[in-house]
Amino acid sequence: EVQLLESGGGLVQPGGSLRLSCAASGFTFNYYAMTWVRQAPGKGLEWVSIVSGNGGDTYYGDSVKGRFTISRDNPKSTVYLQMNSLRAGDTAIYYCAKVLGHCTSTSCSGYFDYWGQGTLVTVSS
Amino acid sequence: DIQMTQSPSSLSASVGDRVTITCRASQSINTYLNWYQQKPGKAPKLLIYATLSLQSGVPSRFSGRGSGTDFTLTINSLQSEDFATYYCQQSFSTPLTFGGGTKVEIK
Repeated sequence: EVQLLESGGGLVQPGGSLRLSCAASGFTFNYYAMTWVRQAPGKGLEWVSIVSGNGGDTYYGDSVKGRFTISRDNPKSTVYLQMNSLRAGDTAIYYCAKVLGHCTSTSCSGYFDYWGQGTLVTVSS
Repeated sequence: DIQMTQSPSSLSASVGDRVTITCRASQSINTYLNWYQQKPGKAPKLLIYATLSLQSGVPSRFSGRGSGTDFTLTINSLQSEDFATYYCQQSFSTPLTFGGGTKVEIK
């Protein structure tokens, strides 16, 4: 059974940093790209970032580019999201998801067949 | 970036009704269009991928069609468990983008 368990959320001040983790199990982790999607309170889904199976290719949404970094540790079956220079607009539930798709040197896309339950990030003073 | 526009943003329907949700892309995405269902307080769930392929375990009353820029999700004979918010997502190119969502409510 595929399981994705996010952790690391919490309350952080504007300008601060936070690192989210997503521990995966139930599938061959390094075979699949992984992604982060967020949802602000009462709002829709916003794609944040994606990383290829070997971690060599990463892509970001415009609103987080230059501030967030996605990475993965395949032996630990874990994907991370390092979030710096946080703003109030980053307040959201952050979901990790397993990706069915493909990655190239210029793009990494697909659809998201399994999701974690999410972790809440609140940016406020 | 490819913009995804869903309509309507909300609708009211009764059990047994047929419901159709539309998703339009700002440029052609071939058939790289996926649909998700989200219930309150829960993570999204994949319903349909590549425009018309039903994810394993999803009831056959759900169907999708379209190509290029215009797509639809249809729910035949709406059931009580189908009241939720539905999102489309394009997987043609990064940045990957979602539609704004359609909330299906009980009439």
